[in-house]
Amino acid sequence: NAGVTQTPKFQVLKTGQSMTLQCAQDMNHNSMYWYRQDPGMGLRLIYYSASEGTTDKGEVPNGYNVSRLNKREFSLRLESAAPSQTSVYFCASSESREGHLGNQPQHFGDGTRLSIL
Amino acid sequence: AQSVTQLGSHVSVSEGALVLLRCNYSSSVPPYLFWYVQYPNQGLQLLLKYTSAATLVKGINGFEAEFKKSETSFHLTKPSAHMSDAAEYFCAVKNTGNQFYFGTGTSLTVIP
Repeated sequence: NAGVTQTPKFQVLKTGQSMTLQCAQDMNHNSMYWYRQDPGMGLRLIYYSASEGTTDKGEVPNGYNVSRLNKREFSLRLESAAPSQTSVYFCASSESREGHLGNQPQHFGDGTRLSIL
Repeated sequence: AQSVTQLGSHVSVSEGALVLLRCNYSSSVPPYLFWYVQYPNQGLQLLLKYTSAATLVKGINGFEAEFKKSETSFHLTKPSAHMSDAAEYFCAVKNTGNQFYFGTGTSLTVIP
């Protein structure tokens, strides 16, 4: 039971390079999320996808794009990496819906540690 | 929008002592509430969640949290700290939409 799988686990980029962070979940969840975690700032939502075919901006979307490829996969792309995007990135999924499933928690991957020089 | 406040970014307790990590939320209606734990170089793991069935919620590893509507609080406690409890703890809230809102975290240190 893999849960949420993120690749790669570590990456070093140069300023201006692009890359895509991959995320896949095997729990048949509808909702998927991308967060960044920086010291003292908790988790900040970058983008989320409430269901297959939909994406929405979160708190800090600038400099990022996302693709909900199918129900399982949700990728995050940095088109032109900047040092300010050095962070730990977490993908999460949740079976969150209205009503009785509204209190379902998120399940997290182990993160991608990204350094931009 | 929801907001979550965790008082104390760092908490230190002696092994065997009570652990109390504070969480307050802002919401006009009781949201869904969660506590997560993060060990070094790992993702977040669910400790417990508020289900509205009971105000005192029991989670894994001996942790529990009490929902107090009048105080808009959901503090996390454990009667006796263990060395393995050293980690970062996050309180999170969710409304009826799809977004979760996290506090800035509390780092727990357990002193032997």
